[in-house]
Amino acid sequence: GAGVSQSPSNKVTEKGKDVELRCDPISGHTALYWYRQSLGQGLEFLIYFQGNSAPDKSGLPSDRFSAERTGGSVSTLTIQRTQQEDSAVYLCASRQGLAGVSYEQYFGPGTRLTVT
Amino acid sequence: AQKVTQAQTEISVVEKEDVTLDCVYETRDTTYYLFWYKQPPSGELVFLIRRNSFDEQNEISGRYSWNFQKSTSSFNFTITASQVVDSAVFFCALSELNEKLTFGTGTRLTIIP
Repeated sequence: GAGVSQSPSNKVTEKGKDVELRCDPISGHTALYWYRQSLGQGLEFLIYFQGNSAPDKSGLPSDRFSAERTGGSVSTLTIQRTQQEDSAVYLCASRQGLAGVSYEQYFGPGTRLTVT
Repeated sequence: AQKVTQAQTEISVVEKEDVTLDCVYETRDTTYYLFWYKQPPSGELVFLIRRNSFDEQNEISGRYSWNFQKSTSSFNFTITASQVVDSAVFFCALSELNEKLTFGTGTRLTIIP
């Protein structure tokens, strides 16, 4: 079946502009995660959605970052007033199952964001 | 707080050699999950294995095997008879019941033909 998809695959933006990154999880997966991968920080958690529960936003690095998940499926990560340190690969993952059991997460191909 | 340490930054071995990637973790929870992911040059993270803290049985999948030892907080990964296609960055990760993955810094494995 189809895996996690993300768009765009690459995004180049000027410092100060807003960007939106999209994630389509695997159909039927109830949980969705955003991570980012950068040379300096490695792989780090950003935000987690589980069903209709309030999202876990504890990994968002600043209030310029926000995310939403509509209809329990597609998610959008928004970065406002982008800074050069936001340059990274943004990864989306989804998994099956309810909260409380850490089933494996399946990752999308990522969006490479470059802030100039 | 949870932490994963992969002390080996880079490893190079000649094809057909066996190689072991080390992973040491820290957690205060008694219930947790451990994972290994592979990131080939294409960039996409590929799931390899998941273990829960109550199952210390070692696992073998083809040329891949995993050794989970709670006494040393380690979850090591061995590739037997390595092949060039095994070249990738391998990440060990830990999840407590908060379900976020905490990743190690990764080990870049290069198999020399």
